[in-house]
Amino acid sequence: KQEVTQIPAALSVPEGENLVLNCSFTDSAIYNLQWFRQDPGKGLTSLLLIQSSQREQTSGRLNASLDKSSGRSTLYIAASQPGDSATYLCAVSSDRGSTLGRLYFGRGTQLTVWP
Amino acid sequence: KAGVTQTPRYLIKTRGQQVTLSCSPISGHRSVSWYQQTPGQGLQFLFEYFSETQRNKGNFPGRFSGRQFSNSRSEMNVSTLELGDSALYLCASSSGTTLTDTQYFGPGTRLTVL
Repeated sequence: KQEVTQIPAALSVPEGENLVLNCSFTDSAIYNLQWFRQDPGKGLTSLLLIQSSQREQTSGRLNASLDKSSGRSTLYIAASQPGDSATYLCAVSSDRGSTLGRLYFGRGTQLTVWP
Repeated sequence: KAGVTQTPRYLIKTRGQQVTLSCSPISGHRSVSWYQQTPGQGLQFLFEYFSETQRNKGNFPGRFSGRQFSNSRSEMNVSTLELGDSALYLCASSSGTTLTDTQYFGPGTRLTVL
């Protein structure tokens, strides 16, 4: 069964810092990997999606990388701002028979950026 | 294009009752997936419907069920509610053309069981 782990569970940084969030998964049979943002009590906002054949994706101050063979992904946030404060979730889409397309989520990293 | 909508946004029920949640997908999307999010278990997959048929199912008891209508709107039902069913229930829609299409999430329904 796919297990997704995110480290650290929580992170508190001053505004302006560059930071890295980590995600690892146990089964390399993935179709894609997606990073989401979730604000308290709200739904999920997709930030970046990396297909299994890709190595990285960039959107503004965000850059996500994927190393499928080692089961790792990182989300890099440049020049963090208080508005970046949220929980960041990593999810992999299964590429395996009976669970094809199912998303498996990590527990998230709760990020606080203080002014 | 309107996003995924879920109703109601908040619900309070008591143990033993049943509840029905609704999800309207993005126009043109034919697949709807449901997820449960709790502090203890995180986000877990419940089931997925495509063209009115359940195509995929997670590991939840039979008290959790769902259906999809011809207009792709979906409902999920939880019978005989337990305190542990308190959670944020999220639905996601996708085109459904393939099982690996990108999923777009709604704002969720917050269910509290007293």
